[in-house]
Parts: sequence; structure tokens; C-alpha cells
Amino acid sequence: DAGVIQSPRHEVTEMGQEVTLRCKPISGHDYLFWYRQTMMRGLELLIYFNNNVPIDDSGMPEDRFSAKMPNASFSTLKIQPSEPRDSAVYFCASSQQGPWYNEQFFGPGTRLTVL
Amino acid sequence: QQPVQSPQAVILREGEDAVINCSSSKALYSVHWYRQKHGEAPVFLMILLKGGEQKGHEKISASFNEKKQQSSLYLTASQLSYSGTYFCGTGGNQFYFGTGTSLTVIP
Repeated sequence: DAGVIQSPRHEVTEMGQEVTLRCKPISGHDYLFWYRQTMMRGLELLIYFNNNVPIDDSGMPEDRFSAKMPNASFSTLKIQPSEPRDSAVYFCASSQQGPWYNEQFFGPGTRLTVL
Repeated sequence: QQPVQSPQAVILREGEDAVINCSSSKALYSVHWYRQKHGEAPVFLMILLKGGEQKGHEKISASFNEKKQQSSLYLTASQLSYSGTYFCGTGGNQFYFGTGTSLTVIP
């Protein structure tokens, strides 16, 4: 298996622009997670899906952030408009069955820089 | 709500042992342990479940005190490859990663 795939790996954009991050989970995994990692706040869970349905988005920082999972093999995290404080590494992860009882497999991450 | 890890950083010589602690203020169903090397994604080490079940790598050992909502990761006979940042993750009503422990193993 190819593992969790994320694109792009690096993104540099200017403040106010729309940013879309993409994720393909491991086939057969029914949970998908989006995390953000910064030096100040560490690893934060933003939102997670079960069978393509958003279950908990309480970690999404603001309305500027939105996430979708149109099918079992694709998810997006969108920031519109982007701000410099959104600069971070964004990880997507997937797991089988119950999210708190099984290993999460992380993608390589997208390093976002907002100028 | 973010679990607190201690120590924040530790430096070991090859072959030495280390213990990393994770403490939560919330009731827990599970504790996860991950290691992240610089510039890479976190990699799973093990899960400890309420009731005593554990899943993970045979060479890693850990404990989970459900009453105290604490977990400890035991690294024995450390190798250079053990260097990285260790995170606990706690599953209760939500999932939170801990503050992280930077571990450096030197020759």
C-alpha cells in the first residue's frame, strides 16, 4: 500500500489567497483526520471523518477553515482567506475502525507558508 | 485538555534507559504513543487501552494507570535511531496529542 498521500508537499501563498490541501487515505480505512502542527501549539486535531461524514470539527480554528470528504478516497482542507498565522505543517491521517483504539497512519504532511 | 508530558527534553548515551511520562486531566479510554523525527510525520509506537490491552511494537513497553490518567513510555538500551520527539495521544471524548518530549541519543 502507498500509505496516506498528501499534496502538495509544500505551499507558499500570499495572505488573502485560497489554499486547498489534499489527502488520499489508505484504502479500507474508514476514519480520516486532519491535524495542524506548529511550534507554539503542537499537534492539534482539526476535524475527523467517519465513512466520509464529519464527526467532530470542534478543532477547526475559524470559519475560514473548511474540510470535505466527497468519497472514501479523497479529502480536502481549505483555508479561505489565508493568513500568516495559518503557516504550519498540516497532516492527514487515517485509521481503521474506532479512532481512539487503533493506530493512526500519517501522511507526509503539507508545509504551508502564508506570506 | 492537552496532556502534559515530562520531561520536555532528555539526552541519553547509547545503551541508557529513559522514561517519558504523560498525564491527562480527563478520563481516558486509551493512550497512544508516537515518535516523530525532524521533518517527518509521526509514526505509531503503541496503544494502551482501558482494561489493560496493548497493541504495538514488541520492543517498546509502556504502562497506563487509568485511575491517575497517566501513562509512561519505557525506552531501554537506547539506540541512536531512538532520537526524535515522542508524543502521547489521549483518547477520551476527544483526541489530544501531548506537549512532546525531545529525546536525543548520542554515541
